[in-house]
Amino acid sequence: GENVEQHPSTLSVQEGDSAVIKCTYSDSASNYFPWYKQELGKRPQLIIDIRSNVGEKKDQRIAVTLNKTAKHFSLHITETQPEDSAVYFCAASIVGEYGNKLVFGAGTILRVKS
Amino acid sequence: EPEVTQTPSHQVTQMGQEVILRCVPISNHLYFYWYRQILGQKVEFLVSFYNNEISEKSEIFDDQFSVERPDGSNFTLKIRSTKLEDSAMYFCASSSGTPYQPQHFGDGTRLSIL
Repeated sequence: GENVEQHPSTLSVQEGDSAVIKCTYSDSASNYFPWYKQELGKRPQLIIDIRSNVGEKKDQRIAVTLNKTAKHFSLHITETQPEDSAVYFCAASIVGEYGNKLVFGAGTILRVKS
Repeated sequence: EPEVTQTPSHQVTQMGQEVILRCVPISNHLYFYWYRQILGQKVEFLVSFYNNEISEKSEIFDDQFSVERPDGSNFTLKIRSTKLEDSAMYFCASSSGTPYQPQHFGDGTRLSIL
């Protein structure tokens, strides 16, 4: 089955710096890759997603890149702010007729120091 | 913005007892999911549900677990004969019938087995 590896497990950056989180997946059939942000004790919230037919997607300070050949995708946060501090999870999925389970990475704790 | 709602927020149960976790997905969504997150670990897929039947389940989702959509709005997860290792946060999620649409998560139910 699908396996998703995520690195680093923790990341500390200075406010204003950029943060990059990387994930690799094992199943080449995966075609949908969302990123979720989870604050302590709260629900995972989607921050950005990308389909396999797209190499890059950007939404303000957040961008995601996908390399299908290498089976890895990355989250880029620019101009980090203290409120970006949270746990970030990548996920991979095969979108099908009957839904699509998300296989999550282990998460990255991002700390933005002011 | 519509949300997935889950009740109760916290459930404490004696080992061996049965619990029912309740979810109200977003009203026009067609795909429903249960995930769990053991404290400090990643989110794990349990089961997906579409058209009134299970479409996929993980190895975790054994005979101890069952899901039901008893009416047009609720989606429940039943855990029979609970074990200590069932202690976790359980998240319900739903997505629309359109492919590649994101899954929206509820706030979760924290299940504590004593």
